[in-house]
Amino acid sequence: GNSVTQMEGPVTLSEEAFLTINCTYTATGYPSLFWYVQYPGEGLQLLLKATKADDKGSNKGFEATYRKETTSFHLEKGSVQVSDSAVYFCALVLFGNEKLTFGTGTRLTIIP
Amino acid sequence: NAGVTQTPKFQVLKTGQSMTLQCAQDMNHEYMSWYRQDPGMGLRLIHYSVGAGITDQGEVPNGYNVSRSTTEDFPLRLLSAAPSQTSVYFCASSSGGNWGYTFGSGTRLTVV
Repeated sequence: GNSVTQMEGPVTLSEEAFLTINCTYTATGYPSLFWYVQYPGEGLQLLLKATKADDKGSNKGFEATYRKETTSFHLEKGSVQVSDSAVYFCALVLFGNEKLTFGTGTRLTIIP
Repeated sequence: NAGVTQTPKFQVLKTGQSMTLQCAQDMNHEYMSWYRQDPGMGLRLIHYSVGAGITDQGEVPNGYNVSRSTTEDFPLRLLSAAPSQTSVYFCASSSGGNWGYTFGSGTRLTVV
């Protein structure tokens, strides 16, 4: 079956630190990959996506590259801000399947 | 543009009661899904639909029913509420998996 494994949290960083949240996947086909972000008390928002190998998704200073050889889609940001404090979810979907499979989420807290 | 609208935002039920969680989208999306979010478990798929009149079970369907009579609406019914159904429920819609899903703001359900 399909699955997504995320870096265990919680993660606490100081403002302006470099962020990496690891994500690896197992899929029976060729998935599209996503990062979603959930701010406190809110629903999930699509942060970025990549639909084929070596694609780089980017948004709001966050980046992730689809690595087929390592089945990974790690989320990175060069300099985090307090406003980046949220829960981050890695997810995949297979073309024609249309069901999102999520990782367990990583809670990120940025301290000033 | 309202996106995905869920009602109610909060609900408390007694064990054995039934209720319907409402979900509506105004983006003419074919695909709609219901997820539940529990601490440490990410989001798990309850039921999904690939179009009006077509629904299927997800990972955790027991105790829930759905129907899709129109493209816009995808209600989730709890037949006989149990404390194990205490969770946050999210509805989501998409025009196709590669585009990612748009999520509603969630319904926080407590069963006592």
